Amino acid sequence: ETGVTQTPRHLVMGMTNKKSLKCEQHLGHNAMYWYKQSAKKPLELMFVYNFKEQTENNSVPSRFSPECPNSSHLFLHLHTLQPEDSALYLCASSLPSEKETQYFGPGTRLLVL
Amino acid sequence: QKEVEQDPGPLSVPEGAIVSLNCTYSNSAFQYFMWYRQYSRKGPELLMYTYSSGNKEDGRFTAQVDKSSKYISLFIRDSQPSDSATYLCAMSEGAQKLVFGQGTRLTINP
Repeated sequence: ETGVTQTPRHLVMGMTNKKSLKCEQHLGHNAMYWYKQSAKKPLELMFVYNFKEQTENNSVPSRFSPECPNSSHLFLHLHTLQPEDSALYLCASSLPSEKETQYFGPGTRLLVL
Repeated sequence: QKEVEQDPGPLSVPEGAIVSLNCTYSNSAFQYFMWYRQYSRKGPELLMYTYSSGNKEDGRFTAQVDKSSKYISLFIRDSQPSDSATYLCAMSEGAQKLVFGQGTRLTINP
């Protein structure tokens, strides 16, 4: 595997379910990000991790819970989501010294029923 | 007012045409300017990266930044059907927070 991978690629969940999104980067980067992409809206930054430490939480509701066990893996734990949370969730990574050049995974398309 | 404004299109042009994509912004502290290309059902792919004002060329693609006007452009010469995608502009003050435009959906017709 190369680049940034995300699993699952598609997810349908009910509002009472708990699920997790996984991201893995094979680029040797130390910074990882979660973004939300909704229809007709710009990409929204959700969380930033540098060297496994969360350095930014962009006022994200607590029903989204990130986890970064090491510099290569990033998770987004989901619970009691709302239908308006349906979107494409994108993971990205970068080198801390080149933080503007972020490399994205293919995303997880999430549908909340 | 949005921090970054980008016409969502859609924009449709014939193959071989020169395409001009634009974004305006309001934050004068932005120093880094990026263009991403996103194909359907894929993640965004970094296309061009420019620091401060000026032009940058890479093959058929040219990125321009005019900080005095708070305006950036991406030009695509000799456009190909494979260039059909959504193009996202993104900007940063130098921290890790990228601010994206809404994206312009571009179709190149054979």
